[in-house]
Amino acid sequence: GENVEQHPSTLSVQEGDSAVIKCTYSDSASNYFPWYKQELGKGPQLIIDIRSNVGEKKDQRIAVTLNKTAKHFSLHITETQPEDSAVYFCAASWGYQKVTFGTGTKLQVIP
Amino acid sequence: GAVVSQHPSWVICKSGTSVKIECRSLDFQATTMFWYRQFPKQSLMLMATSNEGSKATYEQGVEKDKFLINHASLTLSTLTVTSAHPEDSSFYICSARVGVPAEKLFFGSGTQLSVL
Repeated sequence: GENVEQHPSTLSVQEGDSAVIKCTYSDSASNYFPWYKQELGKGPQLIIDIRSNVGEKKDQRIAVTLNKTAKHFSLHITETQPEDSAVYFCAASWGYQKVTFGTGTKLQVIP
Repeated sequence: GAVVSQHPSWVICKSGTSVKIECRSLDFQATTMFWYRQFPKQSLMLMATSNEGSKATYEQGVEKDKFLINHASLTLSTLTVTSAHPEDSSFYICSARVGVPAEKLFFGSGTQLSVL
């Protein structure tokens, strides 16, 4: 089955700096890669996603890049703000197969 | 995005009692919903896939008699934790897939269950 590794497990950045979270996946059949933000005591919220036919996608301060050859994808957050502090999960799936989640990254943005 | 409503947000119960958690899709129909369990500082663990009008599919190691799932309509799935014990205390989250193809997974707000 699919295996998704996520790094780092914790990340502290100064407000205004950029944050990068990286994930690797094992199943070359995976073609959909979402990113979720989870605040304490809440369910995960889909913040951005990318399909395998696209190399990069951007939405305001967040962007995701995908390298299918290397089976890597990354989340980039620019101009970080304190409200960006949360746990971020990457995930991978294809078709109607179950979604496999990474282990999560706790991002702390220091004011 | 699609809205998935989950209730209650938190529940405290005595050991041996049963607890029901509801998950509703508010602005779309969900033939399939998913139930996850999450321990503190850990990732999401898929417990079961809930299919409207048929039996749920449970992941390996999940006791189907302990965690009863009912998906009686296209907008409602319920998870009942039967004869709850302290080890069942956890954060339970439901989700549903939306879109064509149905790739996007939207989550409910989660239910924190504490069994005394």
